[in-house]
Amino acid sequence: NAGVTQTPKFRVLKTGQSMTLLCAQDMNHEYMYWYRQDPGMGLRLIHYSVGEGTTAKGEVPDGYNVSRLKKQNFLLGLESAAPSQTSVYFCASKITTGGRGEQYFGPGTRLTVT
Amino acid sequence: GNSVTQMEGPVTLSEEAFLTINCTYTATGYPSLFWYVQYPGEGLQLLLKATKADDKGSNKGFEATYRKETTSFHLEKGSVQVSDSAVYFCALRGSQGNLIFGKGTKLSVKP
Repeated sequence: NAGVTQTPKFRVLKTGQSMTLLCAQDMNHEYMYWYRQDPGMGLRLIHYSVGEGTTAKGEVPDGYNVSRLKKQNFLLGLESAAPSQTSVYFCASKITTGGRGEQYFGPGTRLTVT
Repeated sequence: GNSVTQMEGPVTLSEEAFLTINCTYTATGYPSLFWYVQYPGEGLQLLLKATKADDKGSNKGFEATYRKETTSFHLEKGSVQVSDSAVYFCALRGSQGNLIFGKGTKLSVKP
């Protein structure tokens, strides 16, 4: 049981390049989330998914797209990277929206856009 | 909207000192409250939680009580260790099961 895994761990992009971050969970969780962590800002929600085939915008969705084609995977895409997207990205999953369910976090992806 | 405010860091303490990290929240209703911890180079781990008013969450010597009168969820530990050095995040549960975080408080414990 690996929990939540993220690929890659580190990446450097040039402005305008594109990339996809992969999040995978093996806990059969319905809900998945993408957050970004910036110094002094805490974590902010980018997009989330309440089940396979569904996605929704969070607090800071601009410049990102997501897909949830399979229940266990949640992909975060940057179509044209900008320096403002330099951040650490965390994926999380949760079994349902119920009050008792815990969110499990992946180890993060550190992205630098030059 | 819902939000979380926690004390600014960094906080530097000597081993065995008492720790308090203040956290207050603004929310509609009474959402579940959490403390997460992030050790250097790692993701976030749930430290403790409280799901209703007056609940006390506890784990690894850390405690926090859900106070609706003061809209607070302060984190405390009676005797910190060097291994407690980390960044601590207070959070509340949003309407879609997401978490709304405070900005984090970095704790450094010196031997």
